[in-house]
Amino acid sequence: QLQMQESGPGLVKPSETVSLTCTISGGSIISSSHYWGWIRQPPGRELEWIATVYHDGGSYYNPSLKTRVTISVDTSKNQFSLTLTSVTAADTAVYYCARDGRFQASDGYLDAFDVWGQGTMVTVSS
Amino acid sequence: DIHLIQSPSFLSASVGDRVTITCRASQGITSYLAWYQQKPGKAPKLLIYGASTLQSGVPSRFSGSGSGTEFTLTINSLQPEDFATYYCQQLNGFPFTFGPGTKVDIK
Repeated sequence: QLQMQESGPGLVKPSETVSLTCTISGGSIISSSHYWGWIRQPPGRELEWIATVYHDGGSYYNPSLKTRVTISVDTSKNQFSLTLTSVTAADTAVYYCARDGRFQASDGYLDAFDVWGQGTMVTVSS
Repeated sequence: DIHLIQSPSFLSASVGDRVTITCRASQGITSYLAWYQQKPGKAPKLLIYGASTLQSGVPSRFSGSGSGTEFTLTINSLQPEDFATYYCQQLNGFPFTFGPGTKVDIK
């Protein structure tokens, strides 16, 4: 059974860069059927999709974060990562990695995040 | 961006009740809508994708309907483990967006 686990620094100072990694086990990131994404949730608030990546490196970003975010894949380690630059208190959140199941439909695919990591808290504070 | 509005924001219900949550999109998204359940301190769990397809392993008391701009999540015979926050998400195109959530609490 596929499992996903986020890792990151926990505490970051304002204006710094935070890097998060998602390690996949029980399955391969090199899947023609799946995409991989990052979603975050500030304390007590709603979910926000950040970015999605395919194993060949093809990526999609939320325009609200695009200038500060990079998503990348390391197939040799079965991992994908998120880098967020110039962080502020507004970036304080639980960051989740998740698999886009890309369920097959009669006329294409239906996206939905079907496997999630447990989340890693990132706090931006001096 | 496509904006989603959920109603109600909060509802209080009893075990055995039938509960309906609505999600409205700011523009048509055909059937590219998913529903998630989230419990405190936990990651969201996929319930429904494609507006009405039940994810494997999800109890059949959960159902989804709708297309275009209006969607519904229904929970028949609410169980104690169903008290949680429910989110809709549109996946019609990037950026994917989530609704603000509906918290289902015990009456």
